[in-house]
Amino acid sequence: GAGVSQSPSNKVTEKGKDVELRCDPISGHTALYWYRQSLGQGLEFLIYFQGNSAPDKSGLPSDRFSAERTGGSVSTLTIQRTQQEDSAVYLCASSSDSGGGLTDTQYFGPGTRLTVL
Amino acid sequence: GQNIDQPTEMTATEGAIVQINCTYQTSGFNGLFWYQQHAGEAPTFLSYNVLDGLEEKGRFSSFLSRSKGYSYLLLKELQMKDSASYLCAVRDIGAGKSTFGDGTTLTVKP
Repeated sequence: GAGVSQSPSNKVTEKGKDVELRCDPISGHTALYWYRQSLGQGLEFLIYFQGNSAPDKSGLPSDRFSAERTGGSVSTLTIQRTQQEDSAVYLCASSSDSGGGLTDTQYFGPGTRLTVL
Repeated sequence: GQNIDQPTEMTATEGAIVQINCTYQTSGFNGLFWYQQHAGEAPTFLSYNVLDGLEEKGRFSSFLSRSKGYSYLLLKELQMKDSASYLCAVRDIGAGKSTFGDGTTLTVKP
C-alpha cells in the first residue's frame, strides 16, 4: 500500500508568516510522529499522537508550534509567525501502534523542507 | 527519561567490516531499533532487537545486551552505498514511544 506522504515537499516563506505542513500516515496506523531535522543534525522530536489519547507535546519548541490530527488520520503541523531558526526539514512518521515490539517500527514520509527568509 | 549515545562519525573502507555502537539508559526498556538515513532522504528501518543476542539480516547484523544497555550494528562487506547516517532508537515503556539517538554518519571510502 501507499507509504507516508507529506505536503508540500518544499515551502519557502517570509519571516513572520504562518505555515501549515500536512502528513498523511499509512492507512490504519494509529501512531503518528512529527520530527524536525536541521542540516547534518539528528532527529528532534516534536509531537506524538497515539489513537484517541492526548498527544505528547513535550518536544514542541515554543507556543508558535501546534499540531492536530483529525479523525485519527491526517495531521497538520502549524508554525505561527515563522522565524529563520525554524528552517529545517520536517519529517512525519507513522507506526501501526506504539504498544511495543515491531509494531513500533516507524515509517517516515519524505519530509517538508521549510525555508524561512 | 532516556540517554542514547552513538559516535558522531565513522570512516571505513569498501569491503571491510564496521561496528557502530549505541549505549542507552532507560527506565523501562522495550526494544531497540536501527534505522538508516541517506543524505537528503528519510530514515528507513533496518533492524529490531528486544532480546539479548544477535539478529542477522544479510550483510547487516544487530546485537543487544540489555544488562549492559548496549547495542551495535555490524555492517559486513561494506559498499559505497552504505555511506549514510545510522540511527539507534530505544523504546521506553515509560515514554510511550521510541527515542532516537543523534545518529552516526558513516563514510565508506574506496
